Amino acid sequence: ETGVTQTPRHLVMGMTNKKSLKCEQHLGHNAMYWYKQSAKKPLELMFVYSLEERVENNSVPSRFSPECPNSSHLFLHLHTLQPEDSALYLCASSRQQGAGANVLTFGAGSRLTVL
Amino acid sequence: EDQVTQSPEALRLQEGESSSLNCSYTVSGLRGLFWYRQDPGKGPEFLFTLYSAGEEKEKERLKATLTKKESFLHITAPKPEDSATYLCAVQASGLRTGANNLFFGTGTRLTVIP
Repeated sequence: ETGVTQTPRHLVMGMTNKKSLKCEQHLGHNAMYWYKQSAKKPLELMFVYSLEERVENNSVPSRFSPECPNSSHLFLHLHTLQPEDSALYLCASSRQQGAGANVLTFGAGSRLTVL
Repeated sequence: EDQVTQSPEALRLQEGESSSLNCSYTVSGLRGLFWYRQDPGKGPEFLFTLYSAGEEKEKERLKATLTKKESFLHITAPKPEDSATYLCAVQASGLRTGANNLFFGTGTRLTVIP
């Protein structure tokens, strides 16, 4: 496989469930990201893992928990979600190039619906 | 405050009818401006990076230009397969990690009618 692969593509869960989103990249990149995409809103950065360092958006609720076991895999653990968390969750990767501009390669996304 | 504004929100064109999409930005130091294309049910796909005012890049029917305050994505003689949402993003300088200083617009949804 090539590029950035996300699973599952679609997920429906109740507010008391616990589930995980998975992302895998085969591009040799050393940075991975989680974005949230909601209708008519800009992409919202949730978490970044870059060179083993994690950066997070302080506005992301603690019911979202990332995990990055190595530079090729990224997870987003979900628990006790709210209906407003329903959105498209995009994983992306890039090659960190110091001060250079970073081109992101995105996966197809995981469409999450919280009932 | 760093921000990106795209206009129009939606655009319908007849096949062959050329037009332009706008991306206005305010940022404290531009590291790069990106254009992405997003098809329904898919993630954004990279199109162009522009780094400095006056720069232009082309790919098939698309041409991106950059000034100090805005970027345009010109679409010449569009075809139905150009229908998609086009996203603009601006990366600001100053922070060590790339994407936490990357600001996206809300996109322009382009529909090209045969």
